[in-house]
Amino acid sequence: QVQLQQSGAELTKPGSSVKISCKASGYTFTSYDISWIKQRPGQALEWIGAINPGSGGTGYNEKFKGKATLTVDKSSSTAFMQLSSLTPEDTAVYYCARGWDYFDYWGQGVMVTVSS
Amino acid sequence: DIQLTQSPSTLPASLGERVTISCRASQSISNSLNWYQQKPDGTVKRLIYSTSTLESGVPSRFSGSGSGTDYSLSISSLESEDFAMYYCLQYATYPQTFGGGTKLELK
Repeated sequence: QVQLQQSGAELTKPGSSVKISCKASGYTFTSYDISWIKQRPGQALEWIGAINPGSGGTGYNEKFKGKATLTVDKSSSTAFMQLSSLTPEDTAVYYCARGWDYFDYWGQGVMVTVSS
Repeated sequence: DIQLTQSPSTLPASLGERVTISCRASQSISNSLNWYQQKPDGTVKRLIYSTSTLESGVPSRFSGSGSGTDYSLSISSLESEDFAMYYCLQYATYPQTFGGGTKLELK
């Protein structure tokens, strides 16, 4: 069965960076795009961007350009998202999901907390 | 960006009741709309895609409809596991955007 297993919760300081992961299983990793989605408490979900694991091609929501960087490691079927120059507004749950725009399977989410 | 307005934001309902959640887009999205359920533990599941196609394994009490700018998700007879958050997603226009969510709670 398709599974997207995300890394554990992160507690980070303002101005730092964090890299979270999403390990895929149960399907051919390079055949499906992976998207990343942000959920702040009480706010709507936001699409951050997506990556094609086969080609490495990426696309970003304008709002997150410069904030998020998406990469993959094909050898381990893992997608990564690095968030840089963290501020308290980056405190959120981050999900990975399969697909560029249809999001048929989701990871369990990772809580990233930015606090001094 | 296309704005999706869900209503109501909170929906109190009873077991066995039929409920409907609305999702209105700021412009036509040509049936490019999905519905998702989010449980309190954060688990997210796709229920319906392309406006009205039921995801495999999702109970038939869930249904979706709509066109143009107006879409809806209906649950014909609420069961205990249905009390959760629901979100719509449009993918007609980049960037994909989500509705603000509807909390379905036990009355």
